[in-house]
Amino acid sequence: DAGITQSPRHKVTETGTPVTLRCHQTENHRYMYWYRQDPGHGLRLIHYSYGVKDTDKGEVSDGYSVSRSKTEDFLLTLESATSSQTSVYFCATIPDRGGNEQFFGPGTRLTVL
Amino acid sequence: GNSVTQMEGPVTLSEEAFLTINCTYTATGYPSLFWYVQYPGEGLQLLLKATKADDKGSNKGFEATYRKETTSFHLEKGSVQVSDSAVYFCALKDGGYNKLIFGAGTRLAVHP
Repeated sequence: DAGITQSPRHKVTETGTPVTLRCHQTENHRYMYWYRQDPGHGLRLIHYSYGVKDTDKGEVSDGYSVSRSKTEDFLLTLESATSSQTSVYFCATIPDRGGNEQFFGPGTRLTVL
Repeated sequence: GNSVTQMEGPVTLSEEAFLTINCTYTATGYPSLFWYVQYPGEGLQLLLKATKADDKGSNKGFEATYRKETTSFHLEKGSVQVSDSAVYFCALKDGGYNKLIFGAGTRLAVHP
């Protein structure tokens, strides 16, 4: 367990509104990731971070931005939500000691109407 | 680019039946391979992993062997339980920064 929490856990919003999802970890891990989970696609990487203020794009980054101003928080922002961004969003971290195992948060279910 | 292909589900079994979930991959080199499990309403958790060819990962009665000849990492369990009902994801490590590429997932339903 990497002490990962996500907030909110559920959100319903309307098309065109901005949305920010928060991932918080208590273990001081350097690497953090945002994925979205959709039926038939598994999990797809949106953005990842390898340190404070160090982020990069993943496979499906269009329409999303991220920020990491503190080690413990990794924020995912949808600047103008669209219905195609309705999904379950998962945050993950990986311990700095190595071992390759990613630990996942409980997820945020986002519905864009 | 690298990719992972899993057998489509759902897979429905009776308790104590033998389980196989197929996973094949396309990758440059020999990346680490993983099986993750997602129970209803939860995030993913690592089930087992293998870091090099011919390695066998095992956990909770599940096993998978890294086969470079067939580029496969099939998940097996000799006798499933109702509590094994979940979605199973095969994944591989993709390049630097410990990024993962996931398969589409396979839903397993085990009935008493």
